[in-house]
Amino acid sequence: EAAVTQSPRNKVAVTGGKVTLSCNQTNNHNNMYWYRQDTGHGLRLIHYSYGAGSTEKGDIPDGYKASRPSQENFSLILELATPSQTSVYFCASGRQGSTEQFFGPGTRLTVL
Amino acid sequence: GDQVEQSPSALSLHEGTGSALRCNFTTTMRAVQWFRKNSRGSLINLFYLASGTKENGRLKSAFDSKERYSTLHIRDAQLEDSGTYFCAAEGTGNYKYVFGAGTRLKVIA
Repeated sequence: EAAVTQSPRNKVAVTGGKVTLSCNQTNNHNNMYWYRQDTGHGLRLIHYSYGAGSTEKGDIPDGYKASRPSQENFSLILELATPSQTSVYFCASGRQGSTEQFFGPGTRLTVL
Repeated sequence: GDQVEQSPSALSLHEGTGSALRCNFTTTMRAVQWFRKNSRGSLINLFYLASGTKENGRLKSAFDSKERYSTLHIRDAQLEDSGTYFCAAEGTGNYKYVFGAGTRLKVIA
């Protein structure tokens, strides 16, 4: 059974709308991450978390918020979606003290 | 900041042949992880290395922190190996990765 799941898997949103991407992990990992991946680029870190209640800015946090209400759940929030946020978003989890990460299946977001 | 240069950017292999992908790092990295993004868009973990080499079936990876590189060797390539391969490395000790731009591999019959 998949340990890192994401929902929705596909999303079409309108410019200016609010979008929430959800991630759930059953690995009992402290660390969780949100990335976006665009064609021709590697994954870029948006936000990450070291545990419930904590969120940290990654390399490209502008236009995104994150929420970690529990060990298992980590959400990425786009308050005012823009077409430049059209991308594939990956969530990952990792053990405390380790870099190794385990990825979810990705969410394809299209902002029209 | 830390940079990861991945090469080649694209590669075509005939079935049964092999090749190597490479990531060069601009600074000393503590660990590297290799992934394949398959046709469904999912990221498949291949290897995680803090040093040395690991082998799994037709894949073998090496990581040399001192020389600032990592490689992924594919032998006897199969059609299902097609996809985009990424390396990711931890450089600053805060358990965050820097990703390479990926290698698009196409295996042809």
